[in-house]
Amino acid sequence: AQSVAQPEDQVNVAEGNPLTVKCTYSVSGNPYLFWYVQYPNRGLQFLLKYITGDNLVKGSYGFEAEFNKSQTSFHLKKPSALVSDSALYFCAVRPSTTDSWGKLQFGAGTQVVVTP
Amino acid sequence: DAGVIQSPRHEVTEMGQEVTLRCKPISGHDYLFWYRQTMMRGLELLIYFNNNVPIDDSGMPEDRFSAKMPNASFSTLKIQPSEPRDSAVYFCASSSLLGPSTDTQYFGPGTRLTVL
Repeated sequence: AQSVAQPEDQVNVAEGNPLTVKCTYSVSGNPYLFWYVQYPNRGLQFLLKYITGDNLVKGSYGFEAEFNKSQTSFHLKKPSALVSDSALYFCAVRPSTTDSWGKLQFGAGTQVVVTP
Repeated sequence: DAGVIQSPRHEVTEMGQEVTLRCKPISGHDYLFWYRQTMMRGLELLIYFNNNVPIDDSGMPEDRFSAKMPNASFSTLKIQPSEPRDSAVYFCASSSLLGPSTDTQYFGPGTRLTVL
């Protein structure tokens, strides 16, 4: 069965410092990996995804993520965090097998707090 | 495109009453998902449809919950009778397996349900 782990409930970082949000996964076959962000009282917004190709994926708002197959990880990164990046971040995975088309498994979420 | 539309945005009802949540997916999307989000349980997938047909309803908590998708542009999630433990934010999302945004789920703003 597929699963996603976000080991940190909360990440605290000072504005201007690098931000990393960790995600590891377990899935059969080659994974499709996603990051979403949720601002207060809003729905989830798509940030980026890895399907195939280059292991470094660039997404919205200056975020990027690196797919590491050997470590089964897909960590989200931003070189210089902004206060406005404070939000709840979700990692998600979908196996590439045909019986799972469309359905994503979401992690528990990591709250990011960026202080001025 | 207006994105995924949900109504109402807020619903306050009394225990025992019937509640109906509504969703209009993005035009052309062939997958529709209903999620529930609470502090205790995080984001849970309740049910999802493909081409208006329910594919997986294993996340529906009990018989009090039902979902329908009578056509490609409309879905409902009904709770009858409602209970205080149903209080949560309910999200609708849609996606498509075709095109450059394949597998990316687009979320609506959510319906915040409070059952007194």
